[in-house]
Amino acid sequence: EPEVTQTPSHQVTQMGQEVILRCVPISNHLYFYWYRQILGQKVEFLVSFYNNEISEKSEIFDDQFSVERPDGSNFTLKIRSTKLEDSAMYFCATRDRGFLNTEAFFGQGTRLTVV
Amino acid sequence: KNQVEQSPQSLIILEGKNCTLQCNYTVSPFSNLRWYKQDTGRGPVSLTIMTFSENTKSNGRYTATLDADTKQSSLHITASQLSDSASYICVVSPSTSGTYKYIFGTGTRLKVLA
Repeated sequence: EPEVTQTPSHQVTQMGQEVILRCVPISNHLYFYWYRQILGQKVEFLVSFYNNEISEKSEIFDDQFSVERPDGSNFTLKIRSTKLEDSAMYFCATRDRGFLNTEAFFGQGTRLTVV
Repeated sequence: KNQVEQSPQSLIILEGKNCTLQCNYTVSPFSNLRWYKQDTGRGPVSLTIMTFSENTKSNGRYTATLDADTKQSSLHITASQLSDSASYICVVSPSTSGTYKYIFGTGTRLKVLA
């Protein structure tokens, strides 16, 4: 069964450092999302991406965050200067069609720990 | 404000028993409502998807119901198994034009004991 793959599974970084989280979507999927889940809290929407541009972003997704699909396959989330409060599980999700009722598949997540 | 609230926050049941989890939402208008299962430290896995016009959807031992008038949904798990121990999350998609995000509920942490 096709799956969304995220790397690394766990990233530890020092405060102020840049991190890049990577996601390999399911091959025919066109819509991409990043969500995050702070330990013990609910999953929160960060950003959606379609046709090589951001289609929607939340208040959390400030200037420290950016997304891109540099090589047409990997979908990345970059945090420019990490803060302690960025520590969370980051989930990538992908979907193949624009209809809202289609299935979205989530990756296994990257656990980011900022120290 | 669009919100999704779930109850109970946590639940412990014995293997083989049934249980029902509740979801109340204020998202309006909405396109669909999903139930996800999330094992600790893993990504959410879809169990059911219902559009606003559907009342019930089953997936094996999981049956979801939806009342769009009262803005309530439930997930019923039949003959629970140890592997059902996980968080169950209600997720609502607004139907506002131009938005494709999902709004996640607070989740119910289910523990099934032998």
